[in-house]
Amino acid sequence: KAGVTQTPRYLIKTRGQQVTLSCSPISGHRSVSWYQQTPGQGLQFLFEYFSETQRNKGNFPGRFSGRQFSNSRSEMNVSTLELGDSALYLCASSLGDRGGEKLFFGSGTQLSVL
Amino acid sequence: GQSLEQPSEVTAVEGAIVQINCTYQTSGFYGLSWYQQHDGGAPTFLSYNGLDGLEETGRFSSFLSRSDSYGYLLLQELQMKDSASYFCAVRSDDKIIFGKGTRLHILP
Repeated sequence: KAGVTQTPRYLIKTRGQQVTLSCSPISGHRSVSWYQQTPGQGLQFLFEYFSETQRNKGNFPGRFSGRQFSNSRSEMNVSTLELGDSALYLCASSLGDRGGEKLFFGSGTQLSVL
Repeated sequence: GQSLEQPSEVTAVEGAIVQINCTYQTSGFYGLSWYQQHDGGAPTFLSYNGLDGLEETGRFSSFLSRSDSYGYLLLQELQMKDSASYFCAVRSDDKIIFGKGTRLHILP
């Protein structure tokens, strides 16, 4: 069974640009959640999609958005990039049941904003 | 608010036992999960507690006390490969909240 695939693996952008990251979940998983990870801050919840609907979102500005397609693949978009957006962006997939939750993470996209 | 507190660093000796604590303040609690992350790697699932008590998976065990809003991860027979960061996580108000992680250092 293929794992969670994130593309691209590395990305370098400049301030003001926008970026789109992609996540393909494990086959059969209906939930995809996204996280920002920076040194010392752990994983910060961006949003979760379940069956193409956003369940909730974290405390991030509106520049961060996402969507999920009918095949459960998900994308997140960051517009008007700022230096502080430099981070590892992780996505995770799961069956989506709220109890007994087990998240499977992709390898992440390392975003550098110059 | 929602928060999870865990120690930033723990040091233990190879072959010993170490406990990593996690206290949480959440609403709509579903259960406590634990993840391991090696440097440069992705987090991997270790354990989940939905009910009070101990869950054992090989060398790793996890405990939950919902009345105390507290849980811990217990690692036995420590090996050098256990050097990593460990995160506790909960689902609260349909947000998945992670602690800031505990860096485990293992001495030979």
